[in-house]
Amino acid sequence: EAQVTQNPRYLITVTGKKLTVTCSQNMNHEYMSWYRQDPGLGLRQIYYSMNVEVTDKGDVPEGYKVSRKEKRNFPLILESPSPNQTSLYFCASSSQPGETQYFGPGTRLLVL
Amino acid sequence: AQSVSQHNHHVILSEAASLELGCNYSYGGTVNLFWYVQYPGQHLQLLLKYFSGDPLVKGIKGFEAEFIKSKFSFNLRKPSVQWSDTAEYFCAVNARYNQGGKLIFGQGTELSVKP
Repeated sequence: EAQVTQNPRYLITVTGKKLTVTCSQNMNHEYMSWYRQDPGLGLRQIYYSMNVEVTDKGDVPEGYKVSRKEKRNFPLILESPSPNQTSLYFCASSSQPGETQYFGPGTRLLVL
Repeated sequence: AQSVSQHNHHVILSEAASLELGCNYSYGGTVNLFWYVQYPGQHLQLLLKYFSGDPLVKGIKGFEAEFIKSKFSFNLRKPSVQWSDTAEYFCAVNARYNQGGKLIFGQGTELSVKP
């Protein structure tokens, strides 16, 4: 089954404790992206990747890092999480930029 | 800056009522347009999309949308809603040739359908 998976689905952490949210897709997509969803703001892009070793900032990249060492994986790293990063995070992938993006199930993060 | 505006924050309808959700975007160039749906506790799923051709597009579950280029609009419609349509609906736009392939989302419209 074609899908985007994320782990963990739920995470509670404390300020400053580094964490990683994994994202994996099995559709051989070149393009992958991370969004955060906040009430009243819709989804905003954090980072994206055009292909392996090619990543770039989206609209709200501060406090986040990403890497793309393999085509299928695109982890999101919070080096020093802060409470304003409490949000719902979605990973997405598409065959090419601009094509239909397929979303993962989301990771709900609470930073205390 | 590009933006997407959804006119209604929360819509409440009775079953069998007709639905129209507004979406306007600000970008003068060529765009790809999407409507996504997010059922409670679930991830975003594609309802329908428009890339080119017939501006009236049909999606899953009886939804359709019309692209009106002159109005920069892409409104979502359904003739008769069901309780199972209760969800949040997001309009999204990708400016073609946009570096980064970014989807710009509207704020979302929460639809509640009363049985």
